[in-house]
Amino acid sequence: DIQMTQFPSSLSASVGDRVTITCRASQGISEYLAWVQQKPGKAPKSLISAASTLQSGVPSNFSGSGSGTEFTLTISSLQPEDVATYYCQQYYNYPLTFGGGTKVEIK
Amino acid sequence: EVQLVESGGGLVQPGGSLRLSCAASGFTFSSFAMSWVRQAPGKGLEWVSIITESGDFTSYIDSVKGRFIMSRDNSKNTLYLQVNSLRVEDTAVYYCARRWRCSRNGCSHDFWGQGALVTVSS
Repeated sequence: DIQMTQFPSSLSASVGDRVTITCRASQGISEYLAWVQQKPGKAPKSLISAASTLQSGVPSNFSGSGSGTEFTLTISSLQPEDVATYYCQQYYNYPLTFGGGTKVEIK
Repeated sequence: EVQLVESGGGLVQPGGSLRLSCAASGFTFSSFAMSWVRQAPGKGLEWVSIITESGDFTSYIDSVKGRFIMSRDNSKNTLYLQVNSLRVEDTAVYYCARRWRCSRNGCSHDFWGQGALVTVSS
């Protein structure tokens, strides 16, 4: 199985800060990487697929990059509504696997 | 508007069974592969299973193979997950999700349901 490791596991930043979350795959997955946002008590919401393609309606202050084994999710200017846990997910091979999540809070 | 609505969750004893349903609307259901993803209380997301558009192929995480059966009825726009021989560790919110982009061997998801809680306890 492909292991997905995210870091940090949590972070606290100020409104307006640039936030970066890293996701590392245990083997190369090309660009078959998605990012999912889950706000407290809510269902997951998809943000990005194919490492960098934004879901329709996702604010442009979210961006993704990377290929192979290392990927990043960047929030260019953190807003209060971005408080959530963010998960990466590989879809290169079965079983589909998620990272452990990064909890983002406002300082 | 794409909508996915799960139902069928509940409290069941270890060894028991349930059938989860996911009613889809707002898109051509038969054109999309679908997944089930679960989340144990206070834990992260765990993919459970996937089914192709026609239902002719399914794949499962190892821990549920032989116990869970995923199926679909395209005439009813409904996805199912039959969960048998339930264990305490199967306690989770179960989400259905629509496929977005796929590789040869897997898919990401673009829309998710609100989830159905399955609690396995004696």
